[in-house]
Amino acid sequence: GAVVSQHPSRVICKSGTSVKIECRSLDFQATTMFWYRQFPKQSLMLMATSNEGSKATYEQGVEKDKFLINHASLTLSTLTVTSAHPEDSSFYICSAPPGGLNGGYTFGSGTRLTVV
Amino acid sequence: AQRVTQPEKLLSVFKGAPVELKCNYSYSGSPELFWYVQYSRQRLQLLLRHISRESIKGFTADLNKGETSFHLKKPFAQEEDSAMYYCALPAVPPPGANNLFFGTGTRLTVIP
Repeated sequence: GAVVSQHPSRVICKSGTSVKIECRSLDFQATTMFWYRQFPKQSLMLMATSNEGSKATYEQGVEKDKFLINHASLTLSTLTVTSAHPEDSSFYICSAPPGGLNGGYTFGSGTRLTVV
Repeated sequence: AQRVTQPEKLLSVFKGAPVELKCNYSYSGSPELFWYVQYSRQRLQLLLRHISRESIKGFTADLNKGETSFHLKKPFAQEEDSAMYYCALPAVPPPGANNLFFGTGTRLTVIP
C-alpha cells in the first residue's frame, strides 16, 4: 500500500536554528500533503497544506514565515521550522490524502522536535 | 462547523471484555467517518471507515446519523488492542483534497 516516509523521526536542536522535516511518498505521487502538529496528550491539529507546484495554504494562527513549506516534487514535501524556539517543540506529522483502494489517508511516522 | 468529540481520554478494560470507544460528530452534509489507531511507537494507521462497513481486527463501527455517533466496538478485547484511537472526518473543503479533523483520541488499555 501507499507509504509516506518521514525523516527525521527525532531531532533536538538549539534555539534559533532551523530544522527541516521531509516527507516522501513512496510508490505513489502526492500532489497534496497535510502537515499536522500534535502537542502532548492532545489531538492532531492541521497546520498547513502543501500543494505541488503552488503555494502552501496555512491554517489560521500558523506563521507562514516560521513554518516554511515546500512541495518540490510529486513525491517530496518539506516543512522547515525556522528560528526554532522551545515552544515549537512538538510532534509533527505529515499525511497524504486518499489515493489507494482502502480510501484511507496515509501518515508519516512523525517527527519529534525538541528545541533546547 | 465540523467537530469530532471523543469524550473519554482514557479507557481501561479487562482482556476478553467488550469495549466501546465513543465518537460523536457534527458535520454539515453527509459525513465520511474514520477510525485511526496508533500503536506504541508506530504511525497512525487506518482502522476502518464507515463507508466500507468492514470489520477490522474484530472492530466494527456503525454510523448513527440520528445520534450523530460513530462508536467503535469490539466484543472481546485483546491485549494487542491497547493503543491510541482517533475518530476523524474530512473537512468541508474549498475545492481540493480534504484534510482530516481529529478527535482528541482515546487511549485504550487492555488489562491482562
